[in-house]
Amino acid sequence: NAGVMQNPRHLVRRRGQEARLRCSPMKGHSHVYWYRQLPEEGLKFMVYLQKENIIDESGMPKERFSAEFPKEGPSILRIQQVVRGDSAAYFCASSPSIGRETHNEQFFGPGTRLTVL
Amino acid sequence: AQSVTQLGSHVSVSEGALVLLRCNYSSSVPPYLFWYVQYPNQGLQLLLKYTSAATLVKGINGFEAEFKKSETSFHLTKPSAHMSDAAEYFCAVSVEIQGAQKLVFGQGTRLTINP
Repeated sequence: NAGVMQNPRHLVRRRGQEARLRCSPMKGHSHVYWYRQLPEEGLKFMVYLQKENIIDESGMPKERFSAEFPKEGPSILRIQQVVRGDSAAYFCASSPSIGRETHNEQFFGPGTRLTVL
Repeated sequence: AQSVTQLGSHVSVSEGALVLLRCNYSSSVPPYLFWYVQYPNQGLQLLLKYTSAATLVKGINGFEAEFKKSETSFHLTKPSAHMSDAAEYFCAVSVEIQGAQKLVFGQGTRLTINP
């Protein structure tokens, strides 16, 4: 069973360009979470999605950032007009439908490291 | 609001020595607590989790953690450190949102193992 897949693993963009980060959850998982890790910091929650729905985006910056999880295909985190402060590692995690025996466990992908020049 | 605090951003121990990484939590409801490990340039791997079944939780790679409600703590320990334990360790608490959970992480503790 393949784990959570993220691509690209490394992404370099110049200021003002767009960054698209993709996440394919584990098979059978219907919940996707995005986290951001700034240098020398812990992970911060950005957004939680289910298929075709954004459930909680309280951690997303108000501008330039958007996320989607379409019915078919991977979840996408999109950053428009990137700035140097967007340089970070972006992690995706997935979890199965909530059940007592699998309560709360999130499985993380390897991350996408975004560098803005 | 739920939160976690990790005491000590850097911990250094000798190979074979006890590892103790500290985590204190704040939660208004019974918490679900986790320890994750992150090796350089990799994602997070779950070490262990507390979900109220037992206060002493055993995880992978010889790690364990004890939930102490009176101290609001969930410290991570390992009796004998190995060089391969060098990594960043994150404590996290889950916050429920519409039936699912988001994780609130501590700032992390970087563990260094000295030969």
